[in-house]
Amino acid sequence: DTAVSQTPKYLVTQMGNDKSIKCEQNLGHDTMYWYKQDSKKFLKIMFSYNNKELIINETVPNRFSPKSPDKAHLNLHINSLELGDSAVYFCASSQDQGQGYTDTQYFGPGTRLTVL
Amino acid sequence: GQSLEQPSEVTAVEGAIVQINCTYQTSGFYGLSWYQQHDGGAPTFLSYNALDGLEETGRFSSFLSRSDSYGYLLLQELQMKDSASYFCAVRDEGRDDKIIFGKGTRLHILP
Repeated sequence: DTAVSQTPKYLVTQMGNDKSIKCEQNLGHDTMYWYKQDSKKFLKIMFSYNNKELIINETVPNRFSPKSPDKAHLNLHINSLELGDSAVYFCASSQDQGQGYTDTQYFGPGTRLTVL
Repeated sequence: GQSLEQPSEVTAVEGAIVQINCTYQTSGFYGLSWYQQHDGGAPTFLSYNALDGLEETGRFSSFLSRSDSYGYLLLQELQMKDSASYFCAVRDEGRDDKIIFGKGTRLHILP
């Protein structure tokens, strides 16, 4: 069973288009995240949702909007795509602090977005 | 501001031991995590240190010194499949629990 899944795996689109990436986790975790990994492999957090509430909102353009219909899903919608948005986007989830807390992030397989 | 520093690349020989260092600067601190990422793959969790000392998990060990704001990942009996990028990460207690990843260390293993 896949713990964290993302669709699509690859996304090629033209500048100016609007696209969405979906993420689902079946681990029962309370917190989900979106990360962007650029061509230099730098992994940077974009958003974090805890029980459907946004708790971290990094300084990303407002063209990026996370949507969480329930705590198992966190989708990423991107408006007016730009060349610089080309990257790999990873969804992740983690459990809140508790006994035996290890702050483990479980990552999805990633979505490689290419903007032409 | 908050930051993590780790070497960009390390090269070692198959069967040898390699240490990847990470220093961090945060306004608060919970613990230090390590992740492995193979080319084309997703980061996968390796270890987490909240307390000073060495944590061992098979061929991989991780060390933390809170007083020195320093940790390292030790890989023993290196295998070719260990060729990957390794990231240290912290959750900055002083900055809304913001998660920060280092820029990653690319480990090259020579036969």
